[in-house]
Amino acid sequence: QVQLVQSGAEVKKPGASVKVSCKASGYTFSDYYIHWVRQTPGQGLEWMGRINPDSGATDYAQSFQGRVTMTRDTSISTVYMELSRLRSDDTALFYCVRDDFGTIDYWGQGTLVTVVS
Amino acid sequence: DVVMTQSPLSLPVTLGQPASISCRSSQSLVHSDGNTYMNWFQQRPGQSPRRLIYKISNRDSGVPDRFSGSGSGTDFTLKISRVEAEDVGVYYCMQGTHWPPWTFGQGTKVEIK
Repeated sequence: QVQLVQSGAEVKKPGASVKVSCKASGYTFSDYYIHWVRQTPGQGLEWMGRINPDSGATDYAQSFQGRVTMTRDTSISTVYMELSRLRSDDTALFYCVRDDFGTIDYWGQGTLVTVVS
Repeated sequence: DVVMTQSPLSLPVTLGQPASISCRSSQSLVHSDGNTYMNWFQQRPGQSPRRLIYKISNRDSGVPDRFSGSGSGTDFTLKISRVEAEDVGVYYCMQGTHWPPWTFGQGTKVEIK
């Protein structure tokens, strides 16, 4: 069965960076784009960007341009999302999700990132 | 960006009664390929969202048939024919037609009266 398993919760100081991993299993890793979605109480669900696990090509939302980097390691079927220059309003749940042509068919369990001084 | 507007944002319902959630998009969600990439997700307390409906009205495997999706163009609806206790949670619409970016509605919180 398809699974996206994310790394555990993180606590960071403002200005720091965080790197969240998402390990895929149960399907051919290179066949589906992986996106990242942020969930906050104030902003709801917000699309951050995507990565093509085959080529490594990325597309980022304008609001995260310059602060987010998505990478992958095909040898272990894992995608990474790094967010830099963290602010207190980056405190959120971050989800990796699988793209099924204009929709999301699978979600990771979410990774809580808390930014606090 | 396409703006998705849900209503109501809070929906108290009586067990066994129907419920309906509306989602309106700021532009038509008909894709150039003829499909309409309108989706509905359910997020139960403490869980990740899960997809219920894709391409307006296609129910995912394992989703009870009391859930149905309808609509066209810019107006869409998710209906629950008879609400059960396990339906409590937040429901989101999402469009995948005009990308980037994917955009989501604000969420509708369904609770039992």
